[in-house]
Amino acid sequence: DQQVKQNSPSLSVQEGRISILNCDYTNSMFDYFLWYKKYPAEGPTFLISISSIKDKNEDGRFTVFLNKSAKHLSLHIVPSQPGDSAVYFCERDGSGGSNYKLTFGKGTLLTVNP
Amino acid sequence: NAGVTQTPKFQVLKTGQSMTLQCAQDMNHNSMYWYRQDPGMGLRLIYYSASEGTTDKGEVPNGYNVSRLNKREFSLRLESAAPSQTSVYFCASLKDRGFWSPLHFGNGTRLTVT
Repeated sequence: DQQVKQNSPSLSVQEGRISILNCDYTNSMFDYFLWYKKYPAEGPTFLISISSIKDKNEDGRFTVFLNKSAKHLSLHIVPSQPGDSAVYFCERDGSGGSNYKLTFGKGTLLTVNP
Repeated sequence: NAGVTQTPKFQVLKTGQSMTLQCAQDMNHNSMYWYRQDPGMGLRLIYYSASEGTTDKGEVPNGYNVSRLNKREFSLRLESAAPSQTSVYFCASLKDRGFWSPLHFGNGTRLTVT
């Protein structure tokens, strides 16, 4: 069973500082990991992804790091902005793309204070 | 381009009443999903449809039924609503499998069962 765990329900940071959101996973297969961002009263939207053949993927202020030995990935936001305040979900997409049962972590509420 | 459209946006039901949540996507995506979001529980998968004509249970299917009406539409039915089904429901679609692609979400239906 594919599982991802986000163990921090919330995180608060100051504007301009770094935000680090974490996600742990079980099992070891060829995977993609995706991060989504969700504002209140809206559906989640895709933010950034990383393949398990890479260690890092960067897109502007957002960087995903994958530590395969620790089965851990993290999303870094630098610098954090008040508009980044949202719930962030990680999703694991395994089985080389043959699995349709896509599940999420419980999410982390990020609050960026001005 | 509307993406994923969910109706209604809000609904209040009495215990025991039935209703159908509607979802339609105009992106020609093959797979569709229903999730519920509850505080502290993240996004939990109710049912999914890998392709037109197929449906499968997710993590929390009890109390729900689904219909993949055609490639565009995927409905979720509550036959006898219970207070435990008070939640925000999200429909999502996925272009295809084979490697990876992100889910595209609607803006949700907020359901209250009294």
